[in-house]
Amino acid sequence: AQTVTQSQPEMSVQEAETVTLSCTYDTSENNYYLFWYKQPPSRQMILVIRQEAYKQQNATENRFSVNFQKAAKSFSLKISDSQLGDTAMYFCAFIPGGSNYKLTFGKGTLLTVNP
Amino acid sequence: NAGVTQTPKFRVLKTGQSMTLLCAQDMNHEYMYWYRQDPGMGLRLIHYSVGEGTTAKGEVPDGYNVSRLKKQNFLLGLESAAPSQTSVYFCASSWGGRFEQYFGPGTRLTVT
Repeated sequence: AQTVTQSQPEMSVQEAETVTLSCTYDTSENNYYLFWYKQPPSRQMILVIRQEAYKQQNATENRFSVNFQKAAKSFSLKISDSQLGDTAMYFCAFIPGGSNYKLTFGKGTLLTVNP
Repeated sequence: NAGVTQTPKFRVLKTGQSMTLLCAQDMNHEYMYWYRQDPGMGLRLIHYSVGEGTTAKGEVPDGYNVSRLKKQNFLLGLESAAPSQTSVYFCASSWGGRFEQYFGPGTRLTVT
């Protein structure tokens, strides 16, 4: 069974600074996909970034980037130039390739951006 | 393009009552999912569907039933609500298993 661990229940950062959220996962699969989702106070789940395990290049979306370390099974999210609107719960999620459709979520990290 | 919508947004039930949550998507996605979110537990998959007329059990299926009679709709039913089913329910859809899932706004259900 796959597991996703987010070891930081809460984090805070000052506006305009950089913060890194940690995520590790456990799987015996070689092909899989990793995601970071953001859930602001509105409760809406919003996709932040997606990484395919077979791609060595780290995914980037504007101020959001990941550090994907396949051997270490680590998938951290870096947020640069933090903004107040980045305040949210962040979930790391994993889905194996093939015919397994189950998206496994971590328990989340609550990020607060302070002015 | 509304994306994924859920009806209702809030609901209060008494123990033993039944209800159906409706999820609709207008992105022509094949796959649809129902999750529940509880404090400190992340999201857990209840049931999912890989196409019209097909459904399958997820991680926590007990006490729930689903139907996918039309490609764009995925219904979640509670036959006899229990307080343990108090939760926020999310519907999601995707092109396929390896693609990102798009979520609805959620339904907050309270069972007293």
